[in-house]
Amino acid sequence: LAKTTQPISMDSYEGQEVNITCSHNNIATNDYITWYQQFPSQGPRFIIQGYKTKVTNEVASLFIPADRKSSTLSLPRVSLSDTAVYYCLVGAGDSSYKLIFGSGTRLLVRP
Amino acid sequence: EPEVTQTPSHQVTQMGQEVILRCVPISNHLYFYWYRQILGQKVEFLVSFYNNEISEKSEIFDDQFSVERPDGSNFTLKIRSTKLEDSAMYFCASSEGGTAITDTQYFGPGTRLTVL
Repeated sequence: LAKTTQPISMDSYEGQEVNITCSHNNIATNDYITWYQQFPSQGPRFIIQGYKTKVTNEVASLFIPADRKSSTLSLPRVSLSDTAVYYCLVGAGDSSYKLIFGSGTRLLVRP
Repeated sequence: EPEVTQTPSHQVTQMGQEVILRCVPISNHLYFYWYRQILGQKVEFLVSFYNNEISEKSEIFDDQFSVERPDGSNFTLKIRSTKLEDSAMYFCASSEGGTAITDTQYFGPGTRLTVL
């Protein structure tokens, strides 16, 4: 699985848009980019996945530039309940069963 | 929305004792997993299970650990002789397909294991 780098922490305020960027310089041709969210004392939860360009769902958007060496998770108008750790994972569709989590980005949303 | 459930939510045990952590995966899922997270650390993969056998395991998953699907709904993790360093949150997950990145894994709420 490709190594990922993301900021350790970010602060934001309610109502703001938050963008968390993940760097994955060694991404392979058949790798997908997936983001998980983890609230304190809970299991990780799938947020969004993409391969290229832009993906949007009811929770977030994922922007992937043409070279795919980075990706940006965008959370529109965050609320206090978006305070969580966000993990960027990169891997191939035909790779092993396990998910490998890094340290993630700890997002703190303030009132 | 279907969800993975785990029991108990908190288990306290004495060092050297056996513990069994229980999970009920989402009903139509075929792949099952255990992960653990030591307080303040990363989520770590332990084992994956498909078709009644282990499909992949990590270095953490040594002979003290075992998994079982005793019936059509439960999936268990047994630790034979607990050690202090086994204290962690243990998460069960399940997925329809077995490809980690493209088959979404759904995680349970976790069991907090405390070994005294």
